[in-house]
Amino acid sequence: DAGVTQSPTHLIKTRGQHVTLRCSPISGHKSVSWYQQVLGQGPQFIFQYYEKEERGRGNFPDRFSARQFPNYSSELNVNALLLGDSALYLCASSRDRGSWNEQFFGPGTRLTVL
Amino acid sequence: LAKTTQPISMDSYEGQEVNITCSHNNIATNDYITWYQQFPSQGPRFIIQGYKTKVKNEVASLFIPADRKSSTLSLPRVSLSDTAVYYCLVGFGEKLVFGTGTRLLVSP
Repeated sequence: DAGVTQSPTHLIKTRGQHVTLRCSPISGHKSVSWYQQVLGQGPQFIFQYYEKEERGRGNFPDRFSARQFPNYSSELNVNALLLGDSALYLCASSRDRGSWNEQFFGPGTRLTVL
Repeated sequence: LAKTTQPISMDSYEGQEVNITCSHNNIATNDYITWYQQFPSQGPRFIIQGYKTKVKNEVASLFIPADRKSSTLSLPRVSLSDTAVYYCLVGFGEKLVFGTGTRLLVSP
């Protein structure tokens, strides 16, 4: 069984641009969560999606948005990029929503904003 | 305020037992505590999960007191390959909050 996959692996953008990150969950998993991990810090929760609906949101501005597709894959969109958005963006999938479900993490997308 | 706190770093030697504590004062009634291990440039990897009392698997134990305001990850007989950052992840209703992370260094 393939694990969680994310694309691209690395990305370089300039301030003000827009970026789309993609995530494919493990087969059978219906929930996808997104996290931002700034270098040297722990992952910060951005969104959780379950059955194509947003089920949880962290303290991130409206520049951050996401969606989940019928096949349970997901996209994270960030508009008007700032230097501070440079980070490792992690996607995690789980069978169901709720903290009792083990989350399986992908390798992440390293975003650099210049 | 949903917040989890861990010691910043810990040092140990091979073969010793390591205990890492996470404080989570405002954990929601129905939410679980999960611990992850992370190596540089990789996503976190699941170690163990629990709701209350004690949980044990082949790699670790997890102790959660009755008030559930903290949890302790116990790694028996650590090896050099256990050098990593360890995070607790706590559910606060619709939000999932990672702890501040504990950098464990295991020396020969």
